[in-house]
Amino acid sequence: QVRLQQWGAGLLKPSETLSLTCGVSGWSFSGYYWTWIRQPPGKGLEWIGEINDSGGTNFNPSLKSRVTMSVDTSKNQFSLNVNSVTAADTAVYYCARGRYGLDYYMDVWGEGTTVTVSS
Amino acid sequence: EIVLTQSPGTLSLSPGERATLSCRASQRVSTRYLVWYQQRPGQAPRLLIYGASSRATGIPDRFSGSGSGTDFTLTISRLEPEDFAVYYCQQYDSSPYSFGQGTKLEIK
Repeated sequence: QVRLQQWGAGLLKPSETLSLTCGVSGWSFSGYYWTWIRQPPGKGLEWIGEINDSGGTNFNPSLKSRVTMSVDTSKNQFSLNVNSVTAADTAVYYCARGRYGLDYYMDVWGEGTTVTVSS
Repeated sequence: EIVLTQSPGTLSLSPGERATLSCRASQRVSTRYLVWYQQRPGQAPRLLIYGASSRATGIPDRFSGSGSGTDFTLTISRLEPEDFAVYYCQQYDSSPYSFGQGTKLEIK
């Protein structure tokens, strides 16, 4: 059974860098687009971007200038960095298993990491 | 960017009733690329419907999806207590793969 476990710092100051990692267990890492999504308090979902096992990426233009993603296939992990954070980046961040071949959906999600940006 | 508009914002119904949730896209979305998720309080979203009408593994058959072009619908035939949650549509037709703002289904 595939499982995503995520971790990273939950409290940041403005201008710092948000760093989260998601570990994949119980399933092959290859072929999928591994995805990050966030949800500000009391609001809806925002797609941040995705990365495949070759390191190919696709980002939301709203965050593109501040976002990097990386993948470590030897550890079955992928990571998200968002630099120069502000209070507007306060949200629950989710990792998810995304599209694969002709299957376009996110079917397995991490539990979410609450990130708060505050001085 | 494709904008998805969900309606109503909140839907108040009783267990046993039928729920109809709408998702309208600002431009045509292929049915292959329209997805529905359910999110219960404090939980991660859960995949319900993909390809506009295909139920994900383990999803009860009271959930159904339909629609094409710019108008899509999620129907819950007979509401169970556990169905009261927030529902999101998402499109994978063009990046960024946007979500609707959600419909909250609450107990009347």
